[in-house]
This record gives sequence, C-alpha cells and structure tokens, in this order.
Amino acid sequence: SQQGEEDPQALSIQEGENATMNCSYKTSINNLQWYRQNSGRGLVHLILIRSNEREKHSGRLRVTLDTSKKSSSLLITASRAADTASYFCATDGYGNKLVFGAGTILRVKS
Amino acid sequence: EPEVTQTPSHQVTQMGQEVILRCVPISNHLYFYWYRQILGQKVEFLVSFYNNEISEKSEIFDDQFSVERPDGSNFTLKIRSTKLEDSAMYFCASSEEGTWGETQYFGPGTRLLVL
Repeated sequence: SQQGEEDPQALSIQEGENATMNCSYKTSINNLQWYRQNSGRGLVHLILIRSNEREKHSGRLRVTLDTSKKSSSLLITASRAADTASYFCATDGYGNKLVFGAGTILRVKS
Repeated sequence: EPEVTQTPSHQVTQMGQEVILRCVPISNHLYFYWYRQILGQKVEFLVSFYNNEISEKSEIFDDQFSVERPDGSNFTLKIRSTKLEDSAMYFCASSEEGTWGETQYFGPGTRLLVL
C-alpha cells in the first residue's frame, strides 16, 4: 500500500504556537497534497508539492518533502482557533487517484 | 471561485433501496472522482471518470455502484441496493487534468445513512 500515514494522530496547542504534522508513505510518488477537513465537512485543498520540490510555502503553511525518507511535514505557523481541523496528506503515485492517510486532528485552544 | 457542489447534503435510506448522489464538478474540469469516508476512517478512492468512461476503480466499487455523466454538468454515483456498510460521507472531486501534479478539488460531501 502507498498510503500516507500522519503523525501525531492528535495535536493540541495554544493559539499563536506552531503546529507540525508529519506524513510518511511507502512507495514512489509524483506529488503529495495536504488537505484540511473541518468536523464533518468537505476536504479543502491546502497545498501540493511535487516530487522534485523540497519545500513550498503558502501563507502560514510550510510543507517539506523528503523523497529519500518518503516523508513530508506540514507546518502551520502562528496558529489560530480557526485552524482547528483534521489534516490529511494524500499521495498519487499510481494513476490519478489520491490515497489518503488517517489524518492528524489539530486542536488550537484560544 | 468555482466550487464542486453536491446534493443532497444528507440522505437517509432503507437497506436495499437505490440512491443517487449528485455532483456538479467545476465547469472546465475533465476528470471526475468519487471518494467515501466511513465515520472515523480514512478517505477512500472509489472511482475516476474521464471522457464518459471509468478510467480507474477500486475494489470497493463493485457491481452495486455505477457512475454517469447524464449531461454536460452533472456527475452521479448510483448505489443500486444499499447495505448498512454503505453508510458514509461520499465526496465528489474534479480536476482539470488527470495527470500527476493536478490538484483535485472536493465537494462538501453527501452524508449517507443506511438503516
């Protein structure tokens, strides 16, 4: 299976702190994407990083990719209560389907 | 900003009944997908669709499932005879192309409850 697996499973931080979530996968990939899901809602695309990229930024988000370790990290800086959500990584090594990990539940306390 | 829309947002049905879940992908997108998420579990790929035919499907997508693009805007998932274990959130997604590196944009989902 090429599933992405996130850790930690759950993360609780204070508003203003940084949150780091990690994702590991098993097979070669073409790209890796991060999505956010608010409780019981749809998936919101956050950022896509290609296999030939090592780091990407978007606003308060920073994503890194290490293909030698088959891992990625998502950093959210200066977290806000509104960042409370589940965060998933998804890979698409084969075909055009996405394979999602189990997700990290982030809780930002105000 | 263009969005993927899905209807209904919630559907309750009796076991054995047929349900049709509807999606309107982003208008210039060519690839369409269905995923599902059983409560508390991972999001799972069901099927991808391009040029009026299935391009890939998972082992979950058995004979009770079918997809259709009945007109230029809608994309539907039909479950012929629902089972209790079909209870899940079903997400539609679309992308401009089906090649690697293309972002898939997801709809808000339809929560299906089979009683």
